[in-house]
Amino acid sequence: DTAVSQTPKYLVTQMGNDKSIKCEQNLGHDTMYWYKQDSKKFLKIMFSYNNKELIINETVPNRFSPKSPDKAHLNLHINSLELGDSAVYFCASSQAPHKASDTQYFGPGTRLTVL
Amino acid sequence: RKEVEQDPGPFNVPEGATVAFNCTYSNSASQSFFWYRQDCRKEPKLLMSVYSSGNEDGRFTAQLNRASQYISLLIRDSKLSDSATYLCVVNTNYGGATNKLIFGTGTLLAVQP
Repeated sequence: DTAVSQTPKYLVTQMGNDKSIKCEQNLGHDTMYWYKQDSKKFLKIMFSYNNKELIINETVPNRFSPKSPDKAHLNLHINSLELGDSAVYFCASSQAPHKASDTQYFGPGTRLTVL
Repeated sequence: RKEVEQDPGPFNVPEGATVAFNCTYSNSASQSFFWYRQDCRKEPKLLMSVYSSGNEDGRFTAQLNRASQYISLLIRDSKLSDSATYLCVVNTNYGGATNKLIFGTGTLLAVQP
């Protein structure tokens, strides 16, 4: 049983296209996140949702739009893809982001390549 | 200055060696601290939390010095399977009732047979 799952695992697409990445967690957590890991391996938070409400929204181009249909799902839609969007995108979830001891569980990642 | 700084390595060590990684963070209000491990082309996974009193989990020992804003990880008796990138992670209040994780760029460890 995969706790946090993402689809697709690999995504290769042309500049200018629109694509979506899906994430699901079966841990019963209230909070989900999207992170971007660039070519230098730097992992940075993009968004977080708590029970379908946007909580964290870092400085991300508005071409990126997260959508949370329910607390077990957080999808990431990207419009007008650019070369610089190529990265690995990780979804994560946790139960209590307000607690210092909160642990985040990561999905396997989606490797996006924009040509 | 980066919020969390680590030596990227690589650290190339023989099996059985002891190796130490260091990390510094800039936000003195940071609340909690962790080491995550990330294998090549895999997701990060929590290795251990870091407490001011120091904590040990088998061959792994983590230390926190709040005054110096410094975190360390010691691995004793290195195994081939310890080869990975070790990410120093700081939990900082985002505002309101939530926190966010700030990741260092990671330290690459390669244990040689």
